[in-house]
Amino acid sequence: QKEVEQDPGPLSVPEGAIVSLNCTYSNSAFQYFMWYRQYSRKGPELLMYTYSSGNKEDGRFTAQVDKSSKYISLFIRDSQPSDSATYLCAITQGAQKLVFGQGTRLTINP
Amino acid sequence: GAVVSQHPSRVICKSGTSVKIECRSLDFQATTMFWYRQFPKQSLMLMATSNEGSKATYEQGVEKDKFLINHASLTLSTLTVTSAHPEDSSFYICSARRREHEQFFGPGTRLTVL
Repeated sequence: QKEVEQDPGPLSVPEGAIVSLNCTYSNSAFQYFMWYRQYSRKGPELLMYTYSSGNKEDGRFTAQVDKSSKYISLFIRDSQPSDSATYLCAITQGAQKLVFGQGTRLTINP
Repeated sequence: GAVVSQHPSRVICKSGTSVKIECRSLDFQATTMFWYRQFPKQSLMLMATSNEGSKATYEQGVEKDKFLINHASLTLSTLTVTSAHPEDSSFYICSARRREHEQFFGPGTRLTVL
């Protein structure tokens, strides 16, 4: 079993839709939960990170962590074509290496 | 967010030559940097962890003599691919850790070995 599981997609939705991206993990020791966005042929860009269970909002993006279910989500409201990218969840115990999901390829259609 | 640069962004070399890739944290000091490799449509694969002033820690299966890492200062780490071969062609990405859980990534270097 992989430490972090993420559906690779691809996921295609119309502009303006709400997008839900998800990951599950196996190790309850993980403490920090990150979402990165990666455009084609570019390095990943840190979107959001959360430390504990609950929600964190930043503009159109909401990160949600449920540690009891070992489940994390990223919601994108009012999705835009510029949101088309690969989204990677990443989890760490802190001063440890990041463990990445496989990444979900997202396309927002105008 | 913090800025991490990589140079070069793209390099094409002949088989058997060595290639050096630089990773710099531009606006913060990073005692720890990481080197990743990414194949098309796949996630990032950690190659090694680079700590300033000490030897790098390589992941299982990564040849340390082939992928030489030097982290000589708090803002610079280098990856040298020695005696490169076509199978080394890939997208190499570095990251720098600013705080315990924060890693910021460079834009990547596309290596093509002919």
